[in-house]
Amino acid sequence: NAGVMQNPRHLVRRRGQEARLRCSPMKGHSHVYWYRQLPEEGLKFMVYLQKENIIDESGMPKERFSAEFPKEGPSILRIQQVVRGDSAAYFCASSPHSGNEKLFFGSGTQLSVL
Amino acid sequence: QQQVKQSPQSLIVQKGGIPIINCAYENTAFDYFPWYQQFPGKGPALLIAIRPDVSEKKEGRFTISFNKSAKQFSLHIMDSQPGDSATYFCAASSQTGANNLFFGTGTRLTVIP
Repeated sequence: NAGVMQNPRHLVRRRGQEARLRCSPMKGHSHVYWYRQLPEEGLKFMVYLQKENIIDESGMPKERFSAEFPKEGPSILRIQQVVRGDSAAYFCASSPHSGNEKLFFGSGTQLSVL
Repeated sequence: QQQVKQSPQSLIVQKGGIPIINCAYENTAFDYFPWYQQFPGKGPALLIAIRPDVSEKKEGRFTISFNKSAKQFSLHIMDSQPGDSATYFCAASSQTGANNLFFGTGTRLTVIP
């Protein structure tokens, strides 16, 4: 019974490149959340998705960031034209139902922008 | 604006001590208050959570104390062990109409053997 799987664990990009972060939720979970963690800070909500739908993207920057959770396959967080300020740990969490209880987090993707 | 304020930023205790981590919030719509434990290189894991209808909740060596009138809640770890050394985050959310947790900035706990 694998937990939430995120890959890659570490991603290095140069300014202007694209970053794609993947998240496979726990088996049976159809709700996915993305959070960003900057050094010495708590996690900040970015987006909440269900299969094929974006439910709440109120925490997503308006430009360059997008997320999807297709019918088949993992959820993808995509960052276009990365800048140094995008360097952070990005965590995905999944849940079997809506709401904030019983969130299971993955181990995160550490994005470094050179 | 930080919705949940957490202190201290770091804490060092001897084995067997009782570290206490405090959090405060302003939004009276918050009705769910979890604590998460995070080890280096890992994602946060839910430790214990409380709702405002009770003033205390205990699970094993971990206890949450909740003061609704003061809008504060705290985590106590009884008989702390070196294996408890981790970063602890408090969080809060409203279960009605909200999709996200608001996290505190974290407390790095070190338990010395």
